[in-house]
Amino acid sequence: AQSVTQLGSHVSVSEGALVLLRCNYSSSVPPYLFWYVQYPNQGLQLLLKYTTGATLVKGINGFEAEFKKSETSFHLTKPSAHMSDAAEYFCAVSPPSGTYKYIFGTGTRLKVLA
Amino acid sequence: ETGVTQTPRHLVMGMTNKKSLKCEQHLGHNAMYWYKQSAKKPLELMFVYNFKEQTENNSVPSRFSPECPNSSHLFLHLHTLQPEDSALYLCASSQVSGGTNEQFFGPGTRLTVL
Repeated sequence: AQSVTQLGSHVSVSEGALVLLRCNYSSSVPPYLFWYVQYPNQGLQLLLKYTTGATLVKGINGFEAEFKKSETSFHLTKPSAHMSDAAEYFCAVSPPSGTYKYIFGTGTRLKVLA
Repeated sequence: ETGVTQTPRHLVMGMTNKKSLKCEQHLGHNAMYWYKQSAKKPLELMFVYNFKEQTENNSVPSRFSPECPNSSHLFLHLHTLQPEDSALYLCASSQVSGGTNEQFFGPGTRLTVL
């Protein structure tokens, strides 16, 4: 069975500081991995995804994530936080094919301090 | 309209009411999903429809009744709900054949059951 763990339900960073949101997964096969962002009163928007190939994935709004198979991790980073990055971030995993199911983490709420 | 739309955006209902949530996707996808998002809980997958056929029902109480008349429309019929059913209900769609099953989400319906 697959599972996703997001360490830290709340993360605060200063504007301009590095953003690091952690995601670890458990899967018997190499999964597809996703990061979504949710702004208040909105649905989820895809930030980036890893399927195959290059393990460093770049997404929208300056975010990137690195798939590390040995660590079963897919942490999300951004070099310099902006006030507009304040939102909730969700990591999700799905098997590579043959199913429609995502398993979501519990989310990390990012607060950016002026 | 583009992407995934949901109506209404907000709904307040009593426990004896009957109401319906509507979702429409304008992306040409062949799968649609209902999720429930409650505070401090992971996103819960409720139902999955693939080519209008229900392929997943995650032990959802019968007071929630989905309907998928075609690949572009998805409904969630509600009756005799409980206060603990108050949540954000998210609809999503994806193209499951030959792709990464990237899911696109609507803005959600905020449901309050009195």
